Amino acid sequence: GAVVSQHPSRVICKSGTSVKIECRSLDFQATTMFWYRQFPKQSLMLMATSNEGSKATYEQGVEKDKFLINHASLTLSTLTVTSAHPEDSSFYICSAREWGGRNQPQHFGDGTRLSIL
Amino acid sequence: GQQLNQSPQSMFIQEGEDVSMNCTSSSIFNTWLWYKQDPGEGPVLLIALYKAGELTSNGRLTAQFGITRKDSFLNISASIPSDVGIYFCAGLYQAGTALIFGKGTTLSVSS
Repeated sequence: GAVVSQHPSRVICKSGTSVKIECRSLDFQATTMFWYRQFPKQSLMLMATSNEGSKATYEQGVEKDKFLINHASLTLSTLTVTSAHPEDSSFYICSAREWGGRNQPQHFGDGTRLSIL
Repeated sequence: GQQLNQSPQSMFIQEGEDVSMNCTSSSIFNTWLWYKQDPGEGPVLLIALYKAGELTSNGRLTAQFGITRKDSFLNISASIPSDVGIYFCAGLYQAGTALIFGKGTTLSVSS
């Protein structure tokens, strides 16, 4: 079945560091990828929609200059958390929707646990 | 962001019991999905529903797309310890848009 690979799975870094998270669709093309954030014991909250070859669409309240998204190919989207601070510590999850057909489901990566010291 | 109303929030059951959880929305969805998330991992798709009234099974799991298109339920029959986890419903307005998630139902199964 479709697989979405997310890397790294865990990051621990100092405050002020920028962190890049990769999301790859391994066996299908994804014109659209989504980035979510999940705090402990809470649901997934959409941060932004990433479209191949165009600018990402950010949800209200999400700083686009802080969470940089690049979707350079049909199989790769990256999220860069710039100048990360402790409040950015969270579980970040990407999902990708297979191209073609209205009923293609979204598949999720295994998430990235970001811890800012 | 918008969320669905998912209940119950948590369940503690004995192995072998049946489980039922549901989601409701004030808005119509064209697709309902049910995911399971284990700790430290991403959600895994269990069942996808595309038509109002549709009833779909996946092993011991059964889910239905409500006739009004504003609700869905998930049933798990004869629960086993590996059913433990957080179950999320998700609704989709139209293809290409992001999923709207429920707040999750945490399932605990004692053997």
